[in-house]
Amino acid sequence: GAVVSQHPSWVICKSGTSVKIECRSLDFQATTMFWYRQFPKQSLMLMATSNEGSKATYEQGVEKDKFLINHASLTLSTLTVTSAHPEDSSFYICSARDQASGGRWGEQFFGPGTRLTVL
Amino acid sequence: LAKTTQPISMDSYEGQEVNITCSHNNIATNDYITWYQQFPSQGPRFIIQGYKTKVTNEVASLFIPADRKSSTLSLPRVSLSDTAVYYCLVALSGGYNKLIFGAGTRLAVHP
Repeated sequence: GAVVSQHPSWVICKSGTSVKIECRSLDFQATTMFWYRQFPKQSLMLMATSNEGSKATYEQGVEKDKFLINHASLTLSTLTVTSAHPEDSSFYICSARDQASGGRWGEQFFGPGTRLTVL
Repeated sequence: LAKTTQPISMDSYEGQEVNITCSHNNIATNDYITWYQQFPSQGPRFIIQGYKTKVTNEVASLFIPADRKSSTLSLPRVSLSDTAVYYCLVALSGGYNKLIFGAGTRLAVHP
């Protein structure tokens, strides 16, 4: 199957700093990628839809100025957590759908996730 | 997007068949039913997708009754490595529709 990578796999930063997380589709092109956040023992929460060449679409309640998304190419989307605070500590996961996958509409390929800890 | 409801947790033993049922009363005509598996500290992994009746692949079967208001994921002869959270989702056909995850079912397989 298609592979999605994320970098870094984990990051620890000080409060007030910004952190950038990369999401790459390694062997397929993705005009659309998705960013999720997951707190311990909870489900994934969709944060935003990243669209190649255009602005991201944010879910209700997600601050677009705090979580900056850039999708500059068909294989790369980045999420920047600006002025991070301890409450932003979470597991961030991206996903993408292989445009060539045909009729498996519900199939998305997820990255391994990035563990962010803000001190 | 149709809301899904699943049991919060289930327990089983190695070698048994596990059936996880999901209700999606408001499923729309163009919705497909999709199941994902997630291990701790990993991204979810697609298991199976279906529209109606029965779908089977190398890891699971998916049973969908005629009214499509529920579905059942069947895992044959589970092993300890099947301990994970299983999510039932509905996804619209076509396009690049977002997936909304519910609470999922936490399956624990015991020796």
